[in-house]
Amino acid sequence: AQRVTQPEKLLSVFKGAPVELKCNYSYSGSPELFWYVQYSRQRLQLLLRHISRESIKGFTADLNKGETSFHLKKPFAQEEDSAMYYCALSGRPGGTSYGKLTFGQGTILTVHP
Amino acid sequence: DTGVSQDPRHKITKRGQNVTFRCDPISEHNRLYWYRQTLGQGPEFLTYFQNEAQLEKSRLLSNRFSAERPKGSFSTLEIQRTEQGDSAMYLCASSFDWDRGSTEAFFGQGTRLTVV
Repeated sequence: AQRVTQPEKLLSVFKGAPVELKCNYSYSGSPELFWYVQYSRQRLQLLLRHISRESIKGFTADLNKGETSFHLKKPFAQEEDSAMYYCALSGRPGGTSYGKLTFGQGTILTVHP
Repeated sequence: DTGVSQDPRHKITKRGQNVTFRCDPISEHNRLYWYRQTLGQGPEFLTYFQNEAQLEKSRLLSNRFSAERPKGSFSTLEIQRTEQGDSAMYLCASSFDWDRGSTEAFFGQGTRLTVV
């Protein structure tokens, strides 16, 4: 069965501090991993996906297949980063579970001034 | 707003009543997904459509739930004989299929259901 675990429900940091949101997954095969973000009063939106290997808003995430992790990192947190962050996985394109997202429970990030 | 839209945004209903929610996806998207989110949890997959075909249903989707996507455009999710445990946020998302390029899922703002 596929599963996504985000061990921290709440994470607080000060502005300018590094931040790491943890995500571990279990999946038989090669999944596609995502981070979604939900800012206050806004809809859920894609932040980044592992196949893109890009940095969005200063955030990066590296897929570690050995540790089955996909942690989200930012070297210098900003107040506007305060939001709910969800890690999610899907099967690879063309597979039967492709596009169907399995989400973690989410981590609320608060960046203090 | 040309994104995914859901109607209504909020619904309060008495236990035992039927409710129906609507989702209008981004018009070019051929995939449409329904998710349910309860307090403190991430969204959970319910079902999805590719065009008008319903391709998968979660075991979470009891026989009181039914979803349709006539003509491959908007979709409806109906819950019959609602129970208090059905209280949740119901999210709709749409995307292209994987062979159409970007497969990013775009979410609606959700319909919050409260069963009293």
